[in-house]
Amino acid sequence: LAKTTQPISMDSYEGQEVNITCSHNNIATNDYITWYQQFPSQGPRFIIQGYKTKVTNEVASLFIPADRKSSTLSLPRVSLSDTAVYYCLVAGSARQLTFGSGTQLTVLP
Amino acid sequence: EPEVTQTPSHQVTQMGQEVILRCVPISNHLYFYWYRQILGQKVEFLVSFYNNEISEKSEIFDDQFSVERPDGSNFTLKIRSTKLEDSAMYFCASSKSRGLAGTTYEQYFGPGTRLTVT
Repeated sequence: LAKTTQPISMDSYEGQEVNITCSHNNIATNDYITWYQQFPSQGPRFIIQGYKTKVTNEVASLFIPADRKSSTLSLPRVSLSDTAVYYCLVAGSARQLTFGSGTQLTVLP
Repeated sequence: EPEVTQTPSHQVTQMGQEVILRCVPISNHLYFYWYRQILGQKVEFLVSFYNNEISEKSEIFDDQFSVERPDGSNFTLKIRSTKLEDSAMYFCASSKSRGLAGTTYEQYFGPGTRLTVT
């Protein structure tokens, strides 16, 4: 299973764009990259998934370079309510998600 | 928007007792899961369930654990003889079989049941 490394914590201010980078050097050919968000005392919530290049939805963008050894989750114009833990997952199996320690994002006023 | 529900929100039990945690997955989903998160630690996969049988399980999911879909809507996790180290938040999740473009990694998580074993 590909190991992921992401910053333990990040601070940002309201209205700024936040980029969280995850490295996954030993990603396998059939692995997808998925990001989840978790608020305190709540279950994780799916944000976005991708395989290569760029994926965008109404919440975030995911940038994946050609070598796929890293990925960057981009949150446009964060608000206080975006304060949460963000997890980068690299999973060959969609049926067994493996969460790491995640990145605690704190959005300041 | 449909959501996964779990009951109870908090369960306190004594060591050695049996507990059953209940979940109602989203109605048109076919895959069901249990995860747990010990306070301050990572979310850990326990088991996945499809077509009325376990499809994958982790090392944590030993003989003390069992899952069941007793009817068309509920999905339960039973812990036969609870231990202190079973104290955790237990999350149920469900997912569709596949996404439109292939495999989807989107699992819908419930709010969790906080299990406290004393």
